[in-house]
Amino acid sequence: NAGVTQTPKFQVLKTGQSMTLQCAQDMNHNSMYWYRQDPGMGLRLIYYSASEGTTDKGEVPNGYNVSRLNKREFSLRLESAAPSQTSVYFCASRPGVASTYEQYFGPGTRLTVT
Amino acid sequence: SQQGEEDPQALSIQEGENATMNCSYKTSINNLQWYRQNSGRGLVHLILIRSNEREKHSGRLRVTLDTSKKSSSLLITASRAADTASYFCATDKTGTASKLTFGTGTRLQVTL
Repeated sequence: NAGVTQTPKFQVLKTGQSMTLQCAQDMNHNSMYWYRQDPGMGLRLIYYSASEGTTDKGEVPNGYNVSRLNKREFSLRLESAAPSQTSVYFCASRPGVASTYEQYFGPGTRLTVT
Repeated sequence: SQQGEEDPQALSIQEGENATMNCSYKTSINNLQWYRQNSGRGLVHLILIRSNEREKHSGRLRVTLDTSKKSSSLLITASRAADTASYFCATDKTGTASKLTFGTGTRLQVTL
């Protein structure tokens, strides 16, 4: 099992460009999450999908959109990138929304917006 | 705002010593989890402690939870160089089981 995979690993964008970060998991998990991590800070939740067909805003959703394409895949889109979106983005999944479940993380996408 | 705040922000110890890091949070929780992040990598789950538990062990890890003080501690005994990483606590608030809120992390450096 690959676990949680993310593409790309690195990306440089110019201000105003758009891009989609891809995330896939092969653990048959129902819930998936997108976080951003800025230097010296913890993870902040951008969007999440408690189950296939549902998405909800997290703590910092502005400037982002998401799509839960199917049970395996959860993508994050930046429509018009801004320097403030320079960050490392992590996707995570867990079996369901029960609070006793741990989250499994992908390796991250390092995004720089110039 | 962050639900969890870790203390200290950074900790440097020698191999073989014990490392203790603390987490404080603001609201009632269902449980608290600790994660480790090696440099440039994703987070890895270490241990979960439920709100009705006071202490839990897993190998060299010992976690305590004091819900009256809204705080938790993670103790790593007999530290190894491979324990060098950042450690984060994560909580989910009562009534919001769908998502975790992460603290700012403690950077642990274990030297030989």
